[in-house]
Amino acid sequence: DQQVKQNSPSLSVQEGRISILNCDYTNSMFDYFLWYKKYPAEGPTFLISISSIKDKNEDGRFTVFLNKSAKHLSLHIVPSQPGDSAVYFCAADNYGQNFVFGPGTRLSVLP
Amino acid sequence: GAGVSQSPSNKVTEKGKDVELRCDPISGHTALYWYRQSLGQGLEFLIYFQGNSAPDKSGLPSDRFSAERTGGSVSTLTIQRTQQEDSAVYLCASSFLDRLDSPLHFGNGTRLTVT
Repeated sequence: DQQVKQNSPSLSVQEGRISILNCDYTNSMFDYFLWYKKYPAEGPTFLISISSIKDKNEDGRFTVFLNKSAKHLSLHIVPSQPGDSAVYFCAADNYGQNFVFGPGTRLSVLP
Repeated sequence: GAGVSQSPSNKVTEKGKDVELRCDPISGHTALYWYRQSLGQGLEFLIYFQGNSAPDKSGLPSDRFSAERTGGSVSTLTIQRTQQEDSAVYLCASSFLDRLDSPLHFGNGTRLTVT
């Protein structure tokens, strides 16, 4: 049973518009969440994180929102750029166990 | 500074042979993880080393898989009697022991192909 879910395998967005990537989790013990970006033939690179004591964290064009009651988080990219085209992984950690990753969402930003 | 280094970057082996994959974590990182990504799949946790504690081996798919970490630094993942289903990209990551606000830093992986 997947504890971290990314129900959209792919997403296409026009350059300059907002990209919204969604992630749902089932384990209420998770209290630290991360987003990673992965280009082909490279390892995932850390993008942004959020602790469960917050509901929003912003870093430049990237904002992560956390809704603990809904066990849902989302990554917003504004404005989207062609270089953002990659696979995005949501991950969760419950401070004592390993990081659990979602299956990923492939984002394509069209020029 | 240097990131997580993995070698080899690509490995092709025949079914039944043993392989060793190496990971050099970021200096000072005391936690080390191995994940793998099969074609079209997400990241699958394999094993986790944290400081001097016993490793968390709960993700290893079979007893053909083992890993060690010498001197709290370099780690080797060994797959014995490889099977075709072992073909995947094997990713190593490291982080600081205190994981609060300490994300994983990944290497570029070893692409293993079992023929």
